[in-house]
Amino acid sequence: AQSVTQLDSQVPVFEEAPVELRCNYSSSVSVYLFWYVQYPNQGLQLLLKYLSGSTLVKGINGFEAEFNKSQTSFHLRKPSVHISDTAEYFCAVTLAWRDFNKFYFGSGTKLNVKP
Amino acid sequence: DAGVTQSPTHLIKTRGQQVTLRCSPKSGHDTVSWYQQALGQGPQFIFQYYEEEERQRGNFPDRFSGHQFPNYSSELNVNALLLGDSALYLCASNPWTGDNTEAFFGQGTRLTVV
Repeated sequence: AQSVTQLDSQVPVFEEAPVELRCNYSSSVSVYLFWYVQYPNQGLQLLLKYLSGSTLVKGINGFEAEFNKSQTSFHLRKPSVHISDTAEYFCAVTLAWRDFNKFYFGSGTKLNVKP
Repeated sequence: DAGVTQSPTHLIKTRGQQVTLRCSPKSGHDTVSWYQQALGQGPQFIFQYYEEEERQRGNFPDRFSGHQFPNYSSELNVNALLLGDSALYLCASNPWTGDNTEAFFGQGTRLTVV
């Protein structure tokens, strides 16, 4: 069975500070990894994804994530956050070559950027 | 391109009633998936439709059913509503022939059961 764990339900941070949102996954088969962002009263928007190749993935809005296979992690980072980054962030996986486009999501991390 | 559109935006129903939610996929997409996002949780996969058939199903009771139309749009039906069915219902679309790497999500329908 697949599972995604987001270790922090809420992360408060001051504007222009760096941030890391943690994600660990469990799967017996190869997975693809994703980070989505959800602004209040909106749907999910893709930030970035890891399929293969370089373990450092760059996404939109200055976010990046690093895939670590040995630690089964896919942490999301941003060197300097803005007020507009306040939102909820979801880590997700799909199974490579199976269960076509069926996403397994973590429980989310609320990022609260303070001025 | 309008992206994935869902209707209605908000809905209030009474326990025991039935509800129908609607989704129009992104242009060029023929596969639609539905997710339930309860308050404070991540989305959970309900089921997926392609070629008007249910292709995959998550761990949801038979009270949850769906349909896909020839124009690829889809409906989610929930019968005998429970208070616990209150959630944001998200629709996602993708092309079936695409790789297993991305889904486009709609804004969701907020269902409140009272």
